[in-house]
Amino acid sequence: DSGVTQTPKHLITATGQRVTLRCSPRSGDLSVYWYQQSLDQGLQFLIQYYNGEERAKGNILERFSAQQFPDLHSELNLSSLELGDSALYFCASSVAPLAGGQGEQFFGPGTRLTVL
Amino acid sequence: AQSVTQPDIHITVSEGASLELRCNYSYGATPYLFWYVQSPGQGLQLLLKYFSGDTLVQGIKGFEAEFKRSQSSFNLRKPSVHWSDAAEYFCAVSNTGNQFYFGTGTSLTVIP
Repeated sequence: DSGVTQTPKHLITATGQRVTLRCSPRSGDLSVYWYQQSLDQGLQFLIQYYNGEERAKGNILERFSAQQFPDLHSELNLSSLELGDSALYFCASSVAPLAGGQGEQFFGPGTRLTVL
Repeated sequence: AQSVTQPDIHITVSEGASLELRCNYSYGATPYLFWYVQSPGQGLQLLLKYFSGDTLVQGIKGFEAEFKRSQSSFNLRKPSVHWSDAAEYFCAVSNTGNQFYFGTGTSLTVIP
């Protein structure tokens, strides 16, 4: 158990819908990362937050957005869902942004999203 | 742009045999390099990382990796594989530590 929790574990929805995935980082971790893992694209970095502020952006679609709240939990919002958005979405946390190469990310168990 | 290539999609080894998983990266400066393992239905777990210094790094579960700048490689090795090592292995590269780029993974099957 990494200490990172993600809810829900599974989510089934229809195209065009909007969903919210939730992540609670490890106690004391200020930085949260979101990743998408799909069969055809592999593991893609989406976005990173540190202490409530966006720190880095990867291959995140405009239909997707995220935020980190004062209690440090984070939510990933996916809207206008398409079949291709079906994937496993991981959250990871670290004490701080890994500047200088210190520390490590701890991954949650993921949320499996199925878009029908 | 940074990228990571894991040329072997799937590898099968016998239990007790040695293992080497290949990873090549593309990055202009000295990268931060990582190997992660993912068991079915689980999140990723860090095996080891390289930031600087000794190019041979030791990780958990008896794994090690060697950074070779001249070959832009960071191959993962284990001298004797156990059945419990069967999993998906991912190599990753990071610039400042804020953006991570993962390879497509290598699936390891261990034959008893």
